[in-house]
Amino acid sequence: AQKITQTQPGMFVQEKEAVTLDCTYDTSDQSYGLFWYKQPSSGEMIFLIYQGSYDEQNATEGRYSLNFQKARKSANLVISASQLGDSAMYFCAMREGSGTYKYIFGTGTRLKVLA
Amino acid sequence: EAQVTQNPRYLITVTGKKLTVTCSQNMNHEYMSWYRQDPGLGLRQIYYSMNVEVTDKGDVPEGYKVSRKEKRNFPLILESPSPNQTSLYFCASNDRGRGPQYFGPGTRLLVL
Repeated sequence: AQKITQTQPGMFVQEKEAVTLDCTYDTSDQSYGLFWYKQPSSGEMIFLIYQGSYDEQNATEGRYSLNFQKARKSANLVISASQLGDSAMYFCAMREGSGTYKYIFGTGTRLKVLA
Repeated sequence: EAQVTQNPRYLITVTGKKLTVTCSQNMNHEYMSWYRQDPGLGLRQIYYSMNVEVTDKGDVPEGYKVSRKEKRNFPLILESPSPNQTSLYFCASNDRGRGPQYFGPGTRLLVL
């Protein structure tokens, strides 16, 4: 069955340092999409970054990059130069392929940035 | 402004009293979806719709109904709510089921 695993329930990082949030996925589809979302304490879901299964280069969006290792089925989020405003819950998600367009989310990682 | 709206934002109800949570998007998106978020479980997809009159079950559809009569609207219906449906609900949309989803602000539901 398709599955997203985030093994880090919580993490701390010092301000201005880089942090990696882990995400592994399981799918038998060849075509799929991987996403990261941020949920601050206010509750809204904010899209951060997207990686398609056929994309050869790792996706980057400003301070966010996605370390995509297809053979290992991992899609880790790297946040560079952490800021206090990065403190939030982070969710990894996968859009299933094969025409179903179902989405699966991980259980999330709560990141706290320390001053 | 491109947005997904949900109403109500907060709702307290009692077991068995039918309720509807509305969702509307102004981006002409074909794909719309409902999720519930529970502590420790992340977001779980309830139903999704690829287009008008086309709906499919997600991972947790039991106890919920949806309809897609218009492209912009995708209401979530709880015909007989139970306490285990107490949750934070999100509606989301995107274009043709690809790319990032745009989420509504969420509806916090408490069923007593």
